Amino acid sequence: DTEVTQTPKHLVMGMTNKKSLKCEQHMGHRAMYWYKQKAKKPPELMFVYSYEKLSINESVPSRFSPECPNSSLLNLHLHALQPEDSALYLCASSQEGTLSQETQYFGPGTRLLVL
Amino acid sequence: GQQLNQSPQSMFIQEGEDVSMNCTSSSIFNTWLWYKQDPGEGPVLLIALYKAGELTSNGRLTAQFGITRKDSFLNISASIPSDVGIYFCAGGSGATNKLIFGTGTLLAVQP
Repeated sequence: DTEVTQTPKHLVMGMTNKKSLKCEQHMGHRAMYWYKQKAKKPPELMFVYSYEKLSINESVPSRFSPECPNSSLLNLHLHALQPEDSALYLCASSQEGTLSQETQYFGPGTRLLVL
Repeated sequence: GQQLNQSPQSMFIQEGEDVSMNCTSSSIFNTWLWYKQDPGEGPVLLIALYKAGELTSNGRLTAQFGITRKDSFLNISASIPSDVGIYFCAGGSGATNKLIFGTGTLLAVQP
């Protein structure tokens, strides 16, 4: 099973709203990622969690707040977003400590529209 | 951020034709990955390569890890309409969890 699930599939929010994106994997992977993707562009890394600890923050604005409650779950809390934050948000996971540790499996994404 | 040089940028082919795309880098990588992405969906892993010179197939897809570790190519044989999408290469250095992505190749297949 190489499935990463994400909810919701679509999200529309106002600039004053607070919402959360959720990601789950049951592959036993200990690294989880959040990416932002604009149309026809490659994914841009936002955050990396390794063994439930934040290991990489790619200088993401504080209106995006990641959380890793346990080894299977990853959340992205959204607050006071801007219209330019509208994008496809992707979650991914990978093994740690193996030859294939950089082989990332992506979820289907959450399409976010900020009005 | 850093991106890999991926070519061609787009391809418009007839069903049944073979396709070839490649990625090049000025840096050495220890992992090369190829993904396919359909509109509004997440990238799906097609092939993973871990060793210089490695040639790996997945059905009609074949990919190779360049011997210099600075490039990789993906071939699709006998294309079909469902091959339509954007193909991304990605390289990993092995030192971090970061992947460097190619700029993508948009493939359109005319039935």
